[in-house]
Amino acid sequence: KQEVTQIPAALSVPEGENLVLNCSFTDSAIYNLQWFRQDPGKGLTSLLLIQSSQREQTSGRLNASLDKSSGRSTLYIAASQPGDSATYLCAVNRASGSARQLTFGSGTQLTVLP
Amino acid sequence: GAVVSQHPSRVICKSGTSVKIECRSLDFQATTMFWYRQFPKQSLMLMATSNEGSKATYEQGVEKDKFLINHASLTLSTLTVTSAHPEDSSFYICSASGGGGDTQYFGPGTRLTVL
Repeated sequence: KQEVTQIPAALSVPEGENLVLNCSFTDSAIYNLQWFRQDPGKGLTSLLLIQSSQREQTSGRLNASLDKSSGRSTLYIAASQPGDSATYLCAVNRASGSARQLTFGSGTQLTVLP
Repeated sequence: GAVVSQHPSRVICKSGTSVKIECRSLDFQATTMFWYRQFPKQSLMLMATSNEGSKATYEQGVEKDKFLINHASLTLSTLTVTSAHPEDSSFYICSASGGGGDTQYFGPGTRLTVL
């Protein structure tokens, strides 16, 4: 059974810092991996999706990498801002089966201090 | 594009009552919809997967008679929590995918509180 772990569980940084969030998964047979943002009491906003054949994806100040063989992904946030404060979730999409199902990590709660 | 809505956004009910939550894909046809549950400070746990016109597939440990899922059209799925109890209080989120793609688009969630 796929297990997804995110470290750290919580992170507090001053505004302007660059930071890295980590995600690891136990089964490397994945279809893709996604990073989401969740604000308190809200749904999920998709940030980046990396296909299993890709190594990284970039969107603005965000860069996500994927090392499928080692079961790891990182989300790099450059020049952090208070508006980046949220919980960041990674989720892996399994490779087999008629319905693609996501397995989520427990998230990293990020606070960017002004 | 690819907007998913949920209704209601928040519901409070008494123990023993049933609650229905709707999930709608507003601008695409959702062949598959997923229902997740999220307890405070925890991640999303998949409850069930439903394909339009067929019975839902429930994850291990999820009672299908308690959490009734209907996916009667390509734009609507409903989750009914029957005989709700305080331990069912949670944040329920749906997602939808369709059109041959694998991307799931998430709804804004429904906060259920059972007194």
